[in-house]
Amino acid sequence: KAGVTQTPRYLIKTRGQQVTLSCSPISGHRSVSWYQQTPGQGLQFLFEYFSETQRNKGNFPGRFSGRQFSNSRSEMNVSTLELGDSALYLCASSFAGTGRTDTQYFGPGTRLTVL
Amino acid sequence: AQSVTQLDSQVPVFEEAPVELRCNYSSSVSVYLFWYVQYPNQGLQLLLKYLSGSTLVKGINGFEAEFNKSQTSFHLRKPSVHISDTAEYFCAVSDGGGGATNKLIFGTGTLLAVQP
Repeated sequence: KAGVTQTPRYLIKTRGQQVTLSCSPISGHRSVSWYQQTPGQGLQFLFEYFSETQRNKGNFPGRFSGRQFSNSRSEMNVSTLELGDSALYLCASSFAGTGRTDTQYFGPGTRLTVL
Repeated sequence: AQSVTQLDSQVPVFEEAPVELRCNYSSSVSVYLFWYVQYPNQGLQLLLKYLSGSTLVKGINGFEAEFNKSQTSFHLRKPSVHISDTAEYFCAVSDGGGGATNKLIFGTGTLLAVQP
């Protein structure tokens, strides 16, 4: 079974631009979560989608948004990029979204560099 | 809100020696705990998880962890490490928040540096 895939793997953008990252979950998984990883703040939860609905959201500004499609694929968008948005963005998928007992499987991440 | 503390930012150890990576979590009525490993330029790989039942949990690559409710700890151990175990290790807790969610709260990570 294929794992979680994320595209692109690397991105370089300039301040003020916007970016869209894509995540394809493991087949059959309906929950997709996004995390931001930086050296200073560590791993922080962005949001979770389940059955095309945002179920939970972390403490990030409104410039960070996401969506999920009917095939469970998810995208996240960051508008008006800032230097501090440079990070590794990780996507994780899980099967039934039943909450605490559901193991999350992570993709390789998208490395975003903002210049 | 849940929180996770990994007191050691870096743990140097010689090859074939035992190692323990410490993790403490904030108390909760019920808690689900995970250890993930991250190799350079890669995503997170699940090592093991505690959901319920036996407090001693065995994972991949010879790792195990023990859930201790009274001490609110979930320390990761391996009896004999290899050079290939050099990586960053993250402890995480599932934050249910009273509803169905897969939100994970991560510790700050521990870099395990195995020396020959």
